Amino acid sequence: DVKVTQSSRYLVKRTGEKVFLECVQDMDHENMFWYRQDPGLGLRLIYFSYDVKMKEKGDIPEGYSVSREKKERFSLILESASTNQTSMYLCASSLTSGGAPDTQYFGPGTRLTVL
Amino acid sequence: GEDVEQSLFLSVREGDSSVINCTYTDSSSTYLYWYKQEPGAGLQLLTYIFSNMDMKQDQRLTVLLNKKDKHLSLRIADTQTGDSAIYFCAEKPAAGGATNKLIFGTGTLLAVQP
Repeated sequence: DVKVTQSSRYLVKRTGEKVFLECVQDMDHENMFWYRQDPGLGLRLIYFSYDVKMKEKGDIPEGYSVSREKKERFSLILESASTNQTSMYLCASSLTSGGAPDTQYFGPGTRLTVL
Repeated sequence: GEDVEQSLFLSVREGDSSVINCTYTDSSSTYLYWYKQEPGAGLQLLTYIFSNMDMKQDQRLTVLLNKKDKHLSLRIADTQTGDSAIYFCAEKPAAGGATNKLIFGTGTLLAVQP
């Protein structure tokens, strides 16, 4: 079974703090993704990575950065947290096969509150 | 641009059928997916359909795809209280390439009344 784990289920931070969200997958997947989920807006892609040290911006990258130093680990960084970054953050991973369904497997999510 | 739309809420009685609808805009989509999110959890893949299929059935789940209207639906037969969750429709655009970037809808909250 594919397992995607996220470092925290719940996190409370103060405005201006630097925040690290960690994601680890155990299935040797090339692709990893960070989404945020907000009521009525669904899932919005922040950043994704298709290989170690490679990253691409998603639809809402502003205020975020990412790091992928090892294949199994993808970190999301909030350089200076703001209240509008209060959200549920979901990490996912998938294989690259080009033509197949290439299911994305999700972690349990981190609910971040910025005060 | 790419966009996937769903209604936000559906309420059904236990034992009835539920139908969750989704419309998408990218006619080049290769695969379309339904994911389920239970309270406090991440998303789990329920089922997917390849774009050259009209229908796929898997136990209580039936997926219908109307490519002409870019409409996807998920029917759950004999809906149970354990089916209460948020259901996300997603498409894999052909332009997504090998990175498997998906476009997700807003999600439909299914509430099953006992």
